[in-house]
Order: sequence, then structure tokens, then C-alpha cells
Amino acid sequence: SAVISQKPSRDICQRGTSLTIQCQVDSQVTMMFWYRQQPGQSLTLIATANQGSEATYESGFVIDKFPISRPNLTFSTLTVSNMSPEDSSIYLCSVAGAGNNYGYTFGSGTRLTVV
Amino acid sequence: AQSVAQPEDQVNVAEGNPLTVKCTYSVSGNPYLFWYVQYPNRGLQFLLKYITGDNLVKGSYGFEAEFNKSQTSFHLKKPSALVSDSALYFCAGGPDNFNKFYFGSGTKLNVKP
Repeated sequence: SAVISQKPSRDICQRGTSLTIQCQVDSQVTMMFWYRQQPGQSLTLIATANQGSEATYESGFVIDKFPISRPNLTFSTLTVSNMSPEDSSIYLCSVAGAGNNYGYTFGSGTRLTVV
Repeated sequence: AQSVAQPEDQVNVAEGNPLTVKCTYSVSGNPYLFWYVQYPNRGLQFLLKYITGDNLVKGSYGFEAEFNKSQTSFHLKKPSALVSDSALYFCAGGPDNFNKFYFGSGTKLNVKP
């Protein structure tokens, strides 16, 4: 399965600022996903990022708040904009394999604290 | 609506006893089902998956899960629990068209010595 490098692993940010999270995959993948895990909760899909097209956002998430880039088949970024304490979460990127290797591999996550 | 459910917020078991963490699903078509484990301050680790084939799937760390189509369940099991198994477990699944992937709410497993 794919190996994902996600950074930063954690950060403490001031409210009103923005943070960009990077996700690098060791192989080319078509679909990349960004998730949020709020404290004590399950994972919620933010958006699906496909190379060469606009990201597809889930209900409750908008591009102005969470802009996503997908410049090639191995890399994506998620920006958390104009942060507030409510944005304090773990953010994870994920990729989907295909065929017999199907499964979702996750990055180690970015633990964001907004103060 | 498609979903994956974990009916138990927490499961407590004594070390050495068998453990079961429950998961049910509502996914269209042929479901792809997964179990992940999350240790404190760590990312998600893949345990096992069901795509097709044998209903009993064996995974990492001695865990296994049984796919039951009639009961739409995919319970995680281990014959003998270890204290080190204490963690947060997530069931997840989606349809075989790769479009969506749904997570259960998570079950905290506590294994006591």
C-alpha cells in the first residue's frame, strides 16, 4: 500500500491565521481525501481532491475555509483559513488504492491547536 | 443513506479474555469494509479489510473480523485480549465504486490486567 508523509505533525496557531498542511504520497494516486477528527470524535470527510479538477467538498465544508490544491498525482495541500479555536482538530489525508490493493491509507495526521 | 455504525462507545474486557467490537453497515451494492486502530496521539493504523472472498478475515496483531451479509455486520474479534490492545477502534466502509468511505463513531477498547 502507499506510504504517506504528512506535515506538519502538529502546530499551535493564533486565531485568524492560516495553516497549510502538506500530504506527499510515494506513488501516483487518483483520489486523495482530507479528513477532520475533532477531539473525541470520529473522522469526517472534508473533501475529495482529484488531480486536474476542483476539489469536491462535503456538506458543511467550503472552499474559502478549506482551500485544497492537487498539483500532481502524488501531492496535495489543505489550508485551514482564518482559524478559530473550533478548528482545533486532527487533520488527516488519505489515499485510496485500487483493485486487490483497495483500501484507504492514512497519513499520521496534523494535530492543530488554535489559541 | 449509507453509513457505518458502531453501537458501543466503549468495550471493557479482561486481559486473556476474548474481545468483540461491533460494527454494522448500510452500504449499497457490495461493501468494502475495514477496521482501523488509533492509539493516543497517533494516526490511524490499518488492521484488516473485507473486499471479497472468505467471510472471515484475518488481520494484524491477531485480530480478525467476520463479514455477515445477512446481518450486515463486520464485528472485530480477538481470541485473547492484551493490555496493549487498549485503543480506539474505527470501523469504516464504502461501496465498491470507490466514491465514498464512511467511518463509524469509534469504540474505545479497554483491556484491564
